[in-house]
Amino acid sequence: AQSVAQPEDQVNVAEGNPLTVKCTYSVSGNPYLFWYVQYPNRGLQFLLKYITGDNLVKGSYGFEAEFNKSQTSFHLKKPSALVSDSALYFCAVRDASGGSYIPTFGRGTSLIVHP
Amino acid sequence: SAVISQKPSRDICQRGTSLTIQCQVDSQVTMMFWYRQQPGQSLTLIATANQGSEATYESGFVIDKFPISRPNLTFSTLTVSNMSPEDSSIYLCSVEDEGLGYTFGSGTRLTVV
Repeated sequence: AQSVAQPEDQVNVAEGNPLTVKCTYSVSGNPYLFWYVQYPNRGLQFLLKYITGDNLVKGSYGFEAEFNKSQTSFHLKKPSALVSDSALYFCAVRDASGGSYIPTFGRGTSLIVHP
Repeated sequence: SAVISQKPSRDICQRGTSLTIQCQVDSQVTMMFWYRQQPGQSLTLIATANQGSEATYESGFVIDKFPISRPNLTFSTLTVSNMSPEDSSIYLCSVEDEGLGYTFGSGTRLTVV
């Protein structure tokens, strides 16, 4: 079985400050990990993914995420937040070991960046 | 990366009626996924649709309520049948995309009155 947890319903940060949106996961084998962003009244947009290789993954709009196998985490980060980053963020996991080809999504974290 | 055109983007429907949502992909894909998302909440998988076979439904979703068609490798429809206000939600289609993991349609916002 695979699962993902986003422990924070909402993250508030001031514009220009660094931001972190947390994600932890559980899979039987190795994970494929994803971050998506959803703006109001829009579908989900891909930000970045971890498949293999470097633990630090860089993605769209200046976002990055660090894969930490020992802590089973894949936190999303950005050095300097923008008001336009305010949106709903979803972490997703899929077992790379041939199990389900269907990703499991977290419940989402609402990021609010204050001017 | 795949591009998905999803229609309609929104609709307001009377209870007891049905709505069919369409997703057209600009490339051939094996699997398509249909999700439901309550406003501000996570995605719940309804079913997986493979071309040439019946869709596989998740627990809590049945074919009579959410019939799915997958006539070819670029197109799928989801019908929400005999709608009630509890069906008001956002419905999303998705495909597995080698470059980006998974690509999503822009969603259909359904309101049942």
